[in-house]
Amino acid sequence: GAGVSQSPSNKVTEKGKDVELRCDPISGHTALYWYRQSLGQGLEFLIYFQGNSAPDKSGLPSDRFSAERTGGSVSTLTIQRTQQEDSAVYLCASIRGAVYGAGELFFGEGSRLTVL
Amino acid sequence: SQQGEEDPQALSIQEGENATMNCSYKTSINNLQWYRQNSGRGLVHLILIRSNEREKHSGRLRVTLDTSKKSSSLLITASRAADTASYFCATDSLDTGRRALTFGSGTRLQVQP
Repeated sequence: GAGVSQSPSNKVTEKGKDVELRCDPISGHTALYWYRQSLGQGLEFLIYFQGNSAPDKSGLPSDRFSAERTGGSVSTLTIQRTQQEDSAVYLCASIRGAVYGAGELFFGEGSRLTVL
Repeated sequence: SQQGEEDPQALSIQEGENATMNCSYKTSINNLQWYRQNSGRGLVHLILIRSNEREKHSGRLRVTLDTSKKSSSLLITASRAADTASYFCATDSLDTGRRALTFGSGTRLQVQP
């Protein structure tokens, strides 16, 4: 597609439920990132995928969080047994190049998660 | 404190004035980027400055980088109401080797018409 697409745009769930958030990056972009943004705050890095390399999971806050990227394209972020502190906007971004430290990120509009 | 911290946290100016935002970071970097975020939206890339550059311009934007002070500034000249948004700097890190960009907490700019 023309841009990074994320779904759902809004998700309200009950504490303890599992949620899946989806990201469809720009076609041909080799790298994909997930960030989390709490209200009025900056972006917190969660996970990074680059081609067929092992993902950088160093930002995942707990083992309740996991992500996969199938076929080098679509990515799903899964949060198990959601907690209220998981409430945030989850942003996905993709980048064309594989060159470390270069290039701009293209962001989706985010998935706003509210855990009641 | 975090890599890539902006100040001020909030800035309110009148249309036509210039807006200056600053960013400080802690590690050695390849490049530094500035992004803009309208309320409730995703981030949009504004400008990238490489570690061997000192100044860069793009339209009404002027970015400076001082690697000796580990700081950058974003100047928006002749501001417009439409410039109202949050502005974030983002850096990579040569020290940690982490590939992800690290974002600061941002400067919220309000331009009064």
